[in-house]
Amino acid sequence: KNQVEQSPQSLIILEGKNCTLQCNYTVSPFSNLRWYKQDTGRGPVSLTIMTFSENTKSNGRYTATLDADTKQSSLHITASQLSDSASYICVVSASSGYALNFGKGTSLLVTP
Amino acid sequence: DADVTQTPRNRITKTGKRIMLECSQTKGHDRMYWYRQDPGLGLRLIYYSFDVKDINKGEISDGYSVSRQAQAKFSLSLESAIPNQTALYFCATSDKRGPNQETQYFGPGTRLLVL
Repeated sequence: KNQVEQSPQSLIILEGKNCTLQCNYTVSPFSNLRWYKQDTGRGPVSLTIMTFSENTKSNGRYTATLDADTKQSSLHITASQLSDSASYICVVSASSGYALNFGKGTSLLVTP
Repeated sequence: DADVTQTPRNRITKTGKRIMLECSQTKGHDRMYWYRQDPGLGLRLIYYSFDVKDINKGEISDGYSVSRQAQAKFSLSLESAIPNQTALYFCATSDKRGPNQETQYFGPGTRLLVL
């Protein structure tokens, strides 16, 4: 069964600090991996998308990495801001059929 | 994203009632989707449509039906609402650029409470 596991479930950090969120998946055959940011009361918004051949992808202070061999991805947030407080969702696609496999998300709170 | 709108934003209904959630998009995308989100669970796909004449069931379609009235409109109906359908519902759209480039754009969500 295709699964996407995210850790930690929740995280609290001080403004200005860095943090790293993890995503492990068992989706096969792998097509691509996306990270979404979901603000409270809003729909998810895409941050990055990576295919099998890509190891890293950046979007401003967000940097995603992918290790397709170990089936792991991470999202690193640099110099966190209060506006980074949100849920971060890892989504993995299989190359056969149409299906997006969503993780449960990591809830990040950035405090002053 | 204002390009994808959902109505209503909040709805309270009673068990057994039929309700409709509506989604409209101005992005010109062919593909539209309905998801539900429950606390502690990931987004789950209810139905999806790749064009006006194409409707497909997702992983949790039981108790739901959809209508693709036009390229820009995709409605979700609960024929006889039950309390475990209480959830946050999202509509999403994507263009037909292929699985390695396709990005989904989500609406603001509809919060549904079934009493």
